[in-house]
Amino acid sequence: QVQLQESGPGLVKPPGTLSLTCAVSGASISSDGWWGWVRQSPGKGLEWIGDIGHSGSANYNPSLKSRVTMSIDKSKNQFSLSLTSVTAVDTALYYCAYSSGWYRLDYWGQGTLVTVSS
Amino acid sequence: QSALTQPPSASGSPGQSVTISCTGTSSDVGYYNYVSWYQQSPGKAPKLIISEVSKRPPGVPDRFSGSKSGNTASLTVSGLQAEDEADYFCSSYGGGTNPYVFGTGTKVTVL
Repeated sequence: QVQLQESGPGLVKPPGTLSLTCAVSGASISSDGWWGWVRQSPGKGLEWIGDIGHSGSANYNPSLKSRVTMSIDKSKNQFSLSLTSVTAVDTALYYCAYSSGWYRLDYWGQGTLVTVSS
Repeated sequence: QSALTQPPSASGSPGQSVTISCTGTSSDVGYYNYVSWYQQSPGKAPKLIISEVSKRPPGVPDRFSGSKSGNTASLTVSGLQAEDEADYFCSSYGGGTNPYVFGTGTKVTVL
C-alpha cells in the first residue's frame, strides 16, 4: 500500500517561500507515474499545482508556473514543492498525491495546513 | 477553467441509495472519459473510488458506481452504510496544460 506524508512549516511569512516535502513509502519514487501536489482553500476549492515524473520532468498549473518548482530526491524516496512570493491567498491545505496515469490521483497524503501570515 | 459543480449536500438512510452529480462543460466532463471520484473522511487522506467514469479500483465496494451523460457525471452509492458518511468530490481531465479540474464537493450524510 502506497503511503504519502507531507511535511513542512505550517506558517510562512509573505513574501517568503513555501517549501514542502512528501515522503513516499510502499513504492519507489522511481516508479512510472507522476508525483504531484494539490491544494484546497476555502476561497478556491481544490486546485492542481503540478506534478513531476521520476525523470525530473515537471508540469505546472499555468496560473502558478512562474512561482512553482518541484523536485525529486531518489536517495530519500521523496519529492518536494517550492512556491515563492507567497501571499495570503496561498493559505491552504496542501496535499501530495500519486497518479499512475489516466488523470486519476491513486493515492493522497493526509494534507498539511500552511498559513501565510506576517 | 471553472470548477465542476456539485450539490453541497446529499443524504439518505442506511440501505438507501444516494446519487451525486458533477456538472462540467463540453471541454472537460463532456469531452473526456477521465472523470474520477474521491471520498474524503474527516482527518483522512482522500481516497480514489472511481476512475475513468465508472472503473472501481481494487478494494472499492461495488456499492459505488459511476456514470456520465453529456456534461454531467454521477456517483451513486447504493446500500448506504454509516461508514459512507464523508465528503465526495469529482475531477475531470481539463485538457491542455491544466489536467485536473475538480468539483466543489458534496457532503453525504447517512441519516
